[in-house]
Amino acid sequence: DTGVSQDPRHKITKRGQNVTFRCDPISEHNRLYWYRQTLGQGPEFLTYFQNEAQLEKSRLLSDRFSAERPKGSFSTLEIQRTEQGDSAMYLCASSTWISGANVLTFGAGSRLTVL
Amino acid sequence: AQRVTQPEKLLSVFKGAPVELKCNYSYSGSPELFWYVQYSRQRLQLLLRHISRESIKGFTADLNKGETSFHLKKPFAQEEDSAMYYCALSASNTGKLIFGQGTTLQVKP
Repeated sequence: DTGVSQDPRHKITKRGQNVTFRCDPISEHNRLYWYRQTLGQGPEFLTYFQNEAQLEKSRLLSDRFSAERPKGSFSTLEIQRTEQGDSAMYLCASSTWISGANVLTFGAGSRLTVL
Repeated sequence: AQRVTQPEKLLSVFKGAPVELKCNYSYSGSPELFWYVQYSRQRLQLLLRHISRESIKGFTADLNKGETSFHLKKPFAQEEDSAMYYCALSASNTGKLIFGQGTTLQVKP
């Protein structure tokens, strides 16, 4: 499978625990994005990387959230001291330029349920 | 502010009927607009982008800068078109997408 891979697909945790999600982008894509999607809403931008550099963070990304892309390949998104409001689908996407447009390819997502 | 609005949460039509999914945007620069689709139990995938002016699966979308709209149209809906459709705006420097809330298209037999 040469698409974007995310792991785990579903995580159930108790409030206050830490969780980490992993994203493996398409290998030749140098941009990587994290989004959050809650029920009935479109995906909301969290952060993005150009290679290993984190170039933008949304104000949605509180100080309990941290993302890394240490070698410019896979990325991790960690949520510390989870809250029930963190329950959502976390989507990763990587991108490449096609005919003058930056086209994002999404993974299947990691669904977080905080009890 | 950059914003995408999809005014309809649900659009229900009969097979063979025309479909128009509405999308309006707010952006001060030159917009790049996309439609993404999510079929049941599948991941979000690109349907089409305005820059290529293509027709995919019979769908087309025309960018109207005067009305700041990018409506998705199909003359004859098929049952397999039933899905969630998201309109998205690309912020030019970062390439990040700003999504609308999505419209569920339900095509009845």
